[in-house]
Amino acid sequence: QVQLVQSGAEVKKPGASVKVSCKPSGYTFTGYSIHWVRQAPGQGLEWMGGISPKTGGANYAQKFQGWVTMTRDASSSTVFMELSRLKSEDTAVYYCAREGVRGAPPNYFYYMDVWGKGTTVTVSS
Amino acid sequence: EIVLTQSPGTLSLSPGERATLSCRASQTISSSSLAWYQQKLGQAPRLLIYGATNRATGIPDRISGGGSGTDFTLTISRLEPEDFAVYYCQHHDTSSYSFGQGTRLEIK
Repeated sequence: QVQLVQSGAEVKKPGASVKVSCKPSGYTFTGYSIHWVRQAPGQGLEWMGGISPKTGGANYAQKFQGWVTMTRDASSSTVFMELSRLKSEDTAVYYCAREGVRGAPPNYFYYMDVWGKGTTVTVSS
Repeated sequence: EIVLTQSPGTLSLSPGERATLSCRASQTISSSSLAWYQQKLGQAPRLLIYGATNRATGIPDRISGGGSGTDFTLTISRLEPEDFAVYYCQHHDTSSYSFGQGTRLEIK
C-alpha cells in the first residue's frame, strides 16, 4: 500500500525551528519527488517546495526561500522539511505529497497523487 | 506568476443536483498543467483530475474536468452526500505549483 507517514504534532515558540519528517512506503523511494504543502487554520493550500529523493535537489517557493530547507536521508528513506525563525503565522497543518508524472513529450502531466495525513505545527509563546 | 481564481467561493446545492466549479488562470496555461483536488474537513486533499480532463484512479465518472486556455471547470453531474467538501484547482509550472483559493460545496 502506497502511503506517506508523517511525524507527530509539534508545539514551538516564536523564533524556534521545526523539522517535520515524511516517510514513504509501498514504492521505490527514489522514484518520485516529494512536495510540501501547508494549510493555515481555515485557509487554503499553499505550496512550499519540493525535493527529489534521488538527487537531493530541492526547489522552494519564492516566499519560503531562505527559511525552509528540504532534505532527504537515503539510508532511512525519509524526507524532511525544516522551517526556521517560526512566527505565529506559521501555525498550520503541513502535508507532504508525492508528485506523480504521466504523459510523453511535450505534454507531461504533473500532480500530487499521494498525501500524508498532515503534521500540525503550533507556534505560540 | 500565474494566479488561479476559483468561483464561486461557496456553492449551495442539494444531493442529485449538478455542480459546476470554475477555475480561471491569470494568463493562458497548458491544459496538461491543471489538476483538481477535493478536501474534506480534517483530511488531506485527494486528487480528482489531472491534465484538466483525466480522472485519477478510483474517481467516479460523474466527476469530470474540462476547459482550456484560461478557463477550466470541474463538474459533478449528480451530487452524492460524500461530494460536499472544498475543491481546489492547482497549476504546475516548471517545478513549482500554485493553488486556487478553493470553492466550498455545501448542502443546501
